[in-house]
Amino acid sequence: QQQVKQSPQSLIVQKGGISIINCAYENTAFDYFPWYQQFPGKGPALLIAIRPDVSEKKEGRFTISFNKSAKQFSLHIMDSQPGDSATYFCAASNSGGYQKVTFGTGTKLQVIP
Amino acid sequence: DAGVIQSPRHEVTEMGQEVTLRCKPISGHNSLFWYRQTMMRGLELLIYFNNNVPIDDSGMPEDRFSAKMPNASFSTLKIQPSEPRDSAVYFCASSFGGDRYEQYFGPGTRLTVT
Repeated sequence: QQQVKQSPQSLIVQKGGISIINCAYENTAFDYFPWYQQFPGKGPALLIAIRPDVSEKKEGRFTISFNKSAKQFSLHIMDSQPGDSATYFCAASNSGGYQKVTFGTGTKLQVIP
Repeated sequence: DAGVIQSPRHEVTEMGQEVTLRCKPISGHNSLFWYRQTMMRGLELLIYFNNNVPIDDSGMPEDRFSAKMPNASFSTLKIQPSEPRDSAVYFCASSFGGDRYEQYFGPGTRLTVT
């Protein structure tokens, strides 16, 4: 019940296109959903996060869409750029707990010129 | 701020040897996390400290692994004895704690056990 399922495992998008990564969870106690971005040789870094009281959050070219009833959330990267090529992790946490964050398995995104 | 600092960045050791990984969290952060990342298992939480106290070590693979946080600015993860299957990238992360959830990751230590 603690799992966060992420898809696809890898994604190739042309420059200027839209990248979409999907995640699903089971634990209804989760109430904080961050996305982390990881470049090769680096640690993950927080990209954007959402709480279930809103259905969408946008920061620049990055948008999280959240569907509480379906227990699904997704990351959309608009106008994808080669510099966006990285591995993206969705995650979920329960604020009633002690901040344990459960990570998805990651999506390796490659944006080709 | 320099961010989370980890050392060493790379470690190559022989099976059976003791390995100690070190972490300095961001000043002012109250929570510290140790993760392990592999291709097969992804990013796994090993142990979590809050105010220097271990809260959850259920992710520690076995008794060969131990972690300490003697003060707010230093933590170690020790593997004794090491095995080839321990080869992975080990990350330390810290956060403010409370209702501030963002975790700041260090650059990681790439451990290779031969």
